[in-house]
Amino acid sequence: DAKTTQPNSMESNEEEPVHLPCNHSTISGTDYIHWYRQLPSQGPEYVIHGLTSNVNNRMASLAIAEDRKSSTLILHRATLRDAAVYYCILKNTGTASKLTFGTGTRLQVTL
Amino acid sequence: EAQVTQNPRYLITVTGKKLTVTCSQNMNHEYMSWYRQDPGLGLRQIYYSMNVEVTDKGDVPEGYKVSRKEKRNFPLILESPSPNQTSLYFCASSLTNRPNYGYTFGSGTRLTVV
Repeated sequence: DAKTTQPNSMESNEEEPVHLPCNHSTISGTDYIHWYRQLPSQGPEYVIHGLTSNVNNRMASLAIAEDRKSSTLILHRATLRDAAVYYCILKNTGTASKLTFGTGTRLQVTL
Repeated sequence: EAQVTQNPRYLITVTGKKLTVTCSQNMNHEYMSWYRQDPGLGLRQIYYSMNVEVTDKGDVPEGYKVSRKEKRNFPLILESPSPNQTSLYFCASSLTNRPNYGYTFGSGTRLTVV
């Protein structure tokens, strides 16, 4: 299974953009890139997913490198409520029966 | 509101006393799954269900049972709980198990077995 690598932690100031990187150099052509986040004392929350093109939704944007070996989750204006662990997960037809969570990136947002 | 509801949120029980953690979703999702989360081990899948009457083992199924008699419900059963099943449990659902669909998770059940 293709793996993802994320930094253990990142910090951001409130109201500034945050770029959360994810490396997936062994990604296959059928792997979708999913992002979830887990706020303290809550269940994981779906954020966004994409295959090849960049994606936007109300929560975030996903920028996917042209060779798909890396991606970046962009929070356009971080708030204190965005402090969470962010997980980058690959999902394809063969692995679609589960999400394999790594250790993720713990995002701290300060005033 | 579209959601996955787990009950109870907190449970303390004794070794060997059978318990059930309920999970219900109101989104007509076909796929449902149970995860446990432990410090240092992250989230690991216990069981999943592709549809009614179809269940399968995940990565850590030992000591657990599930059933899927109705589409909306997917209870997790611990027939004889042991202290190593002390954990934070999450139920999740998805419209299908196709890779271009996301999951909705419940708020979690914190189980302590003494």
